[in-house]
Amino acid sequence: EDQVTQSPEALRLQEGESSSLNCSYTVSGLRGLFWYRQDPGKGPEFLFTLYSAGEEKEKERLKATLTKKESFLHITAPKPEDSATYLCAVRVNSGYALNFGKGTSLLVTP
Amino acid sequence: KAGVTQTPRYLIKTRGQQVTLSCSPISGHRSVSWYQQTPGQGLQFLFEYFSETQRNKGNFPGRFSGRQFSNSRSEMNVSTLELGDSALYLCASSLAGSGNIQYFGAGTRLSVL
Repeated sequence: EDQVTQSPEALRLQEGESSSLNCSYTVSGLRGLFWYRQDPGKGPEFLFTLYSAGEEKEKERLKATLTKKESFLHITAPKPEDSATYLCAVRVNSGYALNFGKGTSLLVTP
Repeated sequence: KAGVTQTPRYLIKTRGQQVTLSCSPISGHRSVSWYQQTPGQGLQFLFEYFSETQRNKGNFPGRFSGRQFSNSRSEMNVSTLELGDSALYLCASSLAGSGNIQYFGAGTRLSVL
């Protein structure tokens, strides 16, 4: 069965203190690894999709990377507005539905 | 372009009742998926519909059901509500061939008393 495990569960950073979030996965044939951001009271917001080991994508202070067993979300010089829960997911069987990890709750303090 | 719209936003029911939640996908999206989000279990996949057909189903009891209409709008129904059904129910839609990205609505917060 496909599994997605995220660590740490919670992370507190000072503004400007760079760090990485981890997503390890076990799937029989990866058909896409997705990163989402979720703010309180809102639905998840799409960030990145990665398909093959070695692939990297960047958006502002965020950079996602992929290996054969893990994905990392690197946050460079975070700001308080980066505070949110970050979710990692892989595709479920055929179709477009996703199997999510439990997320990393990130708090960035001024 | 309007995003995914879910109604109602909040709902309070009592045990044993049934409830129907509605989801209007982004225009042109034919795939709709439903998820349940709780603090303990996180986001869990319920089911996916594509062109009015259920394509995938998660590991939930038969009390949870759904359907999709010809205009791609979708509803999910939960019968004989239990306290443990209290959760945020999220709907997501996808456009075929666009990287299969799922776009989420803001969810319906269901409280079962």
